[in-house]
Amino acid sequence: AQSVTQLGSHVSVSEGALVLLRCNYSSSVPPYLFWYVQYPNQGLQLLLKYTSAATLVKGINGFEAEFKKSETSFHLTKPSAHMSDAAEYFCAVTPQAGTALIFGKGTTLSVSS
Amino acid sequence: DAGVTQSPTHLIKTRGQQVTLRCSPKSGHDTVSWYQQALGQGPQFIFQYYEEEERQRGNFPDRFSGHQFPNYSSELNVNALLLGDSALYLCASSSPGQGRSYTFGSGTRLTVV
Repeated sequence: AQSVTQLGSHVSVSEGALVLLRCNYSSSVPPYLFWYVQYPNQGLQLLLKYTSAATLVKGINGFEAEFKKSETSFHLTKPSAHMSDAAEYFCAVTPQAGTALIFGKGTTLSVSS
Repeated sequence: DAGVTQSPTHLIKTRGQQVTLRCSPKSGHDTVSWYQQALGQGPQFIFQYYEEEERQRGNFPDRFSGHQFPNYSSELNVNALLLGDSALYLCASSSPGQGRSYTFGSGTRLTVV
């Protein structure tokens, strides 16, 4: 069975600092991996996805993630945080395109000036 | 281009009642999935509809049922509401042409009192 673990329920950074949100997955087959962002009282917006092509995936708003099979990780990074990045971030996995997404519990990112 | 539309946005029901939530998928999308997001948690998969049939189901009781119409819109029905059913209910649609990346709606906030 697939599962996702997001390390750190809260991450706080200063504006301009590196953002690193951690995600480890468990999957019996090569997974499809996703990062979503959720702003207050809104739905989920796709930041980026890994579908077995390039291991370094670039997404929207300057975010990127690297798939590391040996570490079963898919950490999300951004070189320089903006105040507008403050939100809830979810990592998700699915074994097959189009099937149910299994989400982590989320990481709240706070950005201070 | 309208994305995924959900209605109503907010709903308050009494324990034991029944509720119907509605979802219109993004134009060109043929598959609809429903997720339940409890406060402070990641979304949990309820079920997925394709070609008017339930294709995949998560670990939810039979009180949760759904339907997909010929125009691809969908309904989520919950019977005999419990306090624990209070959550944000998210609808997501997808199309094969997008490699099955899901587009999420803003959700329906259900409060059971």
